[in-house]
Amino acid sequence: QQQVKQSPQSLIVQKGGISIINCAYENTAFDYFPWYQQFPGKGPALLIAIRPDVSEKKEGRFTISFNKSAKQFSLHIMDSQPGDSATYFCAALKAAGNKLTFGGGTRVLVKP
Amino acid sequence: NAGVTQTPKFRILKIGQSMTLQCTQDMNHNYMYWYRQDPGMGLKLIYYSVGAGITDKGEVPNGYNVSRSTTEDFPLRLELAAPSQTSVYFCASSYLTGWSGNTIYFGEGSWLTVV
Repeated sequence: QQQVKQSPQSLIVQKGGISIINCAYENTAFDYFPWYQQFPGKGPALLIAIRPDVSEKKEGRFTISFNKSAKQFSLHIMDSQPGDSATYFCAALKAAGNKLTFGGGTRVLVKP
Repeated sequence: NAGVTQTPKFRILKIGQSMTLQCTQDMNHNYMYWYRQDPGMGLKLIYYSVGAGITDKGEVPNGYNVSRSTTEDFPLRLELAAPSQTSVYFCASSYLTGWSGNTIYFGEGSWLTVV
């Protein structure tokens, strides 16, 4: 079963706009929620992460919003730039097992 | 700082052939992982290791084998290649730092095509 569901699959946004990617999880044992950014031909790289005891985390133009009761979290990319064009993956981790479960990914294209 | 290094970058295999994807990390990480990424899909865990001499299955282990004789190296073996194993393979590594968060570092990937 898919434990982390991600939407949309793809997203086109104009330069300066806001990109929003949503994820939902099922397993309440998850206790760490990272987002990974992947450029073509490269491996995923950690972008930003959040723990379930906070509702929001911001790093520069990237913000994670977390809703524990709804078991949902989202990534907002403010003032989107062409260099942000990449595939973004949400993920969830159970610290006891230290294994990431990934969402299906969202391909973001920022048009100049 | 090399991080996680995978070889080869690209490989074409014939059905039934065998090969090993190499992975090495220079960060003295305890945990190492192999993921596969199919086109337009997320990453699925094949095998992982919590330390030298210890390995365990992930979500999609069938058709693969691993070993972990040293902290640095975690090779992935395909014994009888099948077209369904055409994919991009990523090796990764991490420390175990508990629930406070743990960065997993990925290699750049190995593109494998089975024909």
